[in-house]
Amino acid sequence: GIQVEQSPPDLILQEGANSTLRCNFSDSVNNLQWFHQNPWGQLINLFYIPSGTKQNGRLSATTVATERYSLLYISSSQTTDSGVYFCAVGNYGQNFVFGPGTRLSVLP
Amino acid sequence: DAEITQSPRHKITETGRQVTLACHQTWNHNNMFWYRQDLGHGLRLIHYSYGVQDTNKGEVSDGYSVSRSNTEDLPLTLESAASSQTSVYFCASSDTSGGYNEQFFGPGTRLTVL
Repeated sequence: GIQVEQSPPDLILQEGANSTLRCNFSDSVNNLQWFHQNPWGQLINLFYIPSGTKQNGRLSATTVATERYSLLYISSSQTTDSGVYFCAVGNYGQNFVFGPGTRLSVLP
Repeated sequence: DAEITQSPRHKITETGRQVTLACHQTWNHNNMFWYRQDLGHGLRLIHYSYGVQDTNKGEVSDGYSVSRSNTEDLPLTLESAASSQTSVYFCASSDTSGGYNEQFFGPGTRLTVL
């Protein structure tokens, strides 16, 4: 099956800093999502991005499907950005495989 | 607004009891999924359904069952609860029409088996 790696596993930032989270996957996929799990455990959809680049406010994501990776950019981080960021990948008719996540802590 | 709900949000039960966790979505999505989340394992797929009367086993299906009698609901049953099934359970749904498969998650159910 598809293997998914995320880096870094842990990240501590000062409020206002920028960061880049990476998701590598072992096989070609045509579905990819980024999620944020907040400290209360809720899974929030950030991006559905099987290819290309999307932006939503301070967050943006880029997926290069041919090179099997996706990047999530967080700019001007805020304490509310803290939590765990997951990427999940898959193909049509198959189910998502989740990465192990990146735990982000943003300090005031 | 369309949503996906889970109940109960918290459950404590005893070893050997049967437990059913409810999942209800108003997205009118064909696909529904159950995951469990444990420290050190991330999210793992338990069962999934691509439509009414369709159910399939996922990565960690032993000890669990599901049934899909309508589009909106996919209840998850633990036939005889075990301490190893203490976990947080998430339900999700998606719709593959138009080639998209974006999954939307419910709020989760925290289950403790004593």
